Amino acid sequence: QKEVEQDPGPLSVPEGAIVSLNCTYSNSAFQYFMWYRQYSRKGPELLMYTYSSGNKEDGRFTAQVDKSSKYISLFIRDSQPSDSATYLCAMSALNTGNQFYFGTGTSLTVIP
Amino acid sequence: NAGVTQTPKFQVLKTGQSMTLQCAQDMNHEYMSWYRQDPGMGLRLIHYSVGAGITDQGEVPNGYNVSRSTTEDFPLRLLSAAPSQTSVYFCASSLSRSSYEQYFGPGTRLTVT
Repeated sequence: QKEVEQDPGPLSVPEGAIVSLNCTYSNSAFQYFMWYRQYSRKGPELLMYTYSSGNKEDGRFTAQVDKSSKYISLFIRDSQPSDSATYLCAMSALNTGNQFYFGTGTSLTVIP
Repeated sequence: NAGVTQTPKFQVLKTGQSMTLQCAQDMNHEYMSWYRQDPGMGLRLIHYSVGAGITDQGEVPNGYNVSRSTTEDFPLRLLSAAPSQTSVYFCASSLSRSSYEQYFGPGTRLTVT
């Protein structure tokens, strides 16, 4: 079983839609939860970071962590064509030496 | 700041050849790492370093060597290339091992025939 599972999509939505991206995980020790955005043929860049459970909002982006269900989400409001990218979730824990475990990524296309 | 730079951008190797993928960062980061990204597999950690002179293995280290003689540079060596090493390779750095933000380079696309 993979440490982190992520639906690869692809996901295609019209401009202005609300997008929901999700990951599940198996290691209950994960404490740090990140979302990276990766444009085509580029390296990933950090989008949002959450420690432990709860919500975090940054502009049009909201990250949610539900540790009881081992489930994390990224919501994008008022999606824009510039949001078209692959979104990777990543997690780490102190007892794994803070090694990052990445999901496979979800490909998102926002259609104008 | 250039951030994290990687060379070359593209490389084609024949089976059995060796090569070195270069990675450099100018942010004075302690922690540097190498990942490979394959379709359906996500990013997997190959090797990492917590400082000059200190390296350790990640999830998929076989067939790769690393060294870290300076804070800035972290080259990845393929000893005897195999088709299974066809992948996109990313170098990343962060302030320390406990930092949640890693800065990634633009990647090297490697094909082994």
